[in-house]
Amino acid sequence: DVKVTQSSRYLVKRTGEKVFLECVQDMDHENMFWYRQDPGLGLRLIYFSYDVKMKEKGDIPEGYSVSREKKERFSLILESASTNQTSMYLCASSLGGGNPYEQYFGPGTRLTVT
Amino acid sequence: GDSVTQMEGPVTLSEEAFLTINCTYTATGYPSLFWYVQYPGEGLQLLLKATKADDKGSNKGFEATYRKETTSFHLEKGSVQVSDSAVYFCALMSNTGKLIFGQGTTLQVKP
Repeated sequence: DVKVTQSSRYLVKRTGEKVFLECVQDMDHENMFWYRQDPGLGLRLIYFSYDVKMKEKGDIPEGYSVSREKKERFSLILESASTNQTSMYLCASSLGGGNPYEQYFGPGTRLTVT
Repeated sequence: GDSVTQMEGPVTLSEEAFLTINCTYTATGYPSLFWYVQYPGEGLQLLLKATKADDKGSNKGFEATYRKETTSFHLEKGSVQVSDSAVYFCALMSNTGKLIFGQGTTLQVKP
């Protein structure tokens, strides 16, 4: 079974702090994604990566950056956390090539910024 | 741009009731369509998918048919169980390779 793990289930940070959210997948997937989930808005794509050291902006990249130094690990960075970044963050991965469709999700990190 | 619209929830049903969650989409061409489910405290799981018009995706008693003429992909189940209580997301794969999600519909099934 594909497993996507996220470093924390719950996180509380203060405004202005630098925050790292880590995601690791164990199935050698090429593609990795970061979403945020907010009530009434569904999931919105923040950043994604199709290969090591490669990154692409999603629909709402402002205030975030990412790092992918190894194939299995994709990190989301909040350079200076703000209260409007309080949300559920979901990481996902998928195969590249001919089957990019099924994305496998981690359990999520609920981040609260105070 | 591409978008997905789901019926607003929450949807509350009694056990063994019939379920329909409506989903319509706007997209260029004929995208692949998906239903994902999120059980309490967990990430999303793929429930079913359909990759072309008139395809029917099915899994765990749930079904959805890709209707090109109405741009819809409604989720149905004949008899829901308490264990089906979850948030359901309709999604499409855009021609840029991204998943576009609807806002999610919460289903609560009461015994």
